[in-house]
Amino acid sequence: DAGVIQSPRHEVTEMGQEVTLRCKPISGHNSLFWYRQTMMRGLELLIYFNNNVPIDDSGMPEDRFSAKMPNASFSTLKIQPSEPRDSAVYFCASRSGTGGYEQYFGPGTRLTVT
Amino acid sequence: GDSVTQMEGPVTLSEEAFLTINCTYTATGYPSLFWYVQYPGEGLQLLLKATKADDKGSNKGFEATYRKETTSFHLEKGSVQVSDSAVYFCALSPNTDKLIFGTGTRLQVFP
Repeated sequence: DAGVIQSPRHEVTEMGQEVTLRCKPISGHNSLFWYRQTMMRGLELLIYFNNNVPIDDSGMPEDRFSAKMPNASFSTLKIQPSEPRDSAVYFCASRSGTGGYEQYFGPGTRLTVT
Repeated sequence: GDSVTQMEGPVTLSEEAFLTINCTYTATGYPSLFWYVQYPGEGLQLLLKATKADDKGSNKGFEATYRKETTSFHLEKGSVQVSDSAVYFCALSPNTDKLIFGTGTRLQVFP
C-alpha cells in the first residue's frame, strides 16, 4: 500500500511568490494533518481535517496560509505571499478513523524562500 | 495541559552499545504513547506504540513499556547499529485526534 504522498519534495521560490504544497493521504484514512518543522520551533501542527472538514486551524501562523481538502484523496497547503521565515519542511500525515491514534507521515516538502 | 518531555541530545554511542532514551509525559486519563523515528531527509516513521498501562511496544529490536506509575515510556535497544542514527520522537495522544510530540532526541552511533 502506498504511503502518504507529498509533492513537490523540494521547492525554492522568491519572497512574495505563491507556493502550493500537495498531499495525497493513505487510501481509506479520514484524518489529514499538516505540520511544519524547523530547527527553532521543532514540529508544529498547522491544521487538520476530519472527513475533508477543517477541524482545528489554530496553528496556522497567519492569513497568508490556507489549506483545503476538496476530497478524501487530496489536500493543499498554500502560502501567499511567501516570506523567508516560511522556509521549513512541511509534512502531511494521515490517520485511519478506525483503530489507534497513530499518524502516518509523508516524506515532506522542503521549502526555501529567498 | 498534556505534554511530553524527552532527554536532551545528542546521544552518542558506539556500535553494539545499549541505548536508553528517556521520555516522561503529563496527561489526564490513559493516553496512547508512541515512538517515532526520523532518518535524515525523511518524514517521521512510527516505530512502536502502547495503548494501556504495562503494555510493551516493540519493533526492530527497540522496545518501550508504558509505565503509568512513573508516567514514563523510555525507549531501549540492546545493541545499536550505525543505521540506527536518527532523531527519535516520543509522542502521546490523549485519545483525541491530535498527537503531542516531544522535542526529539538525536542519536549518533559510531562504528
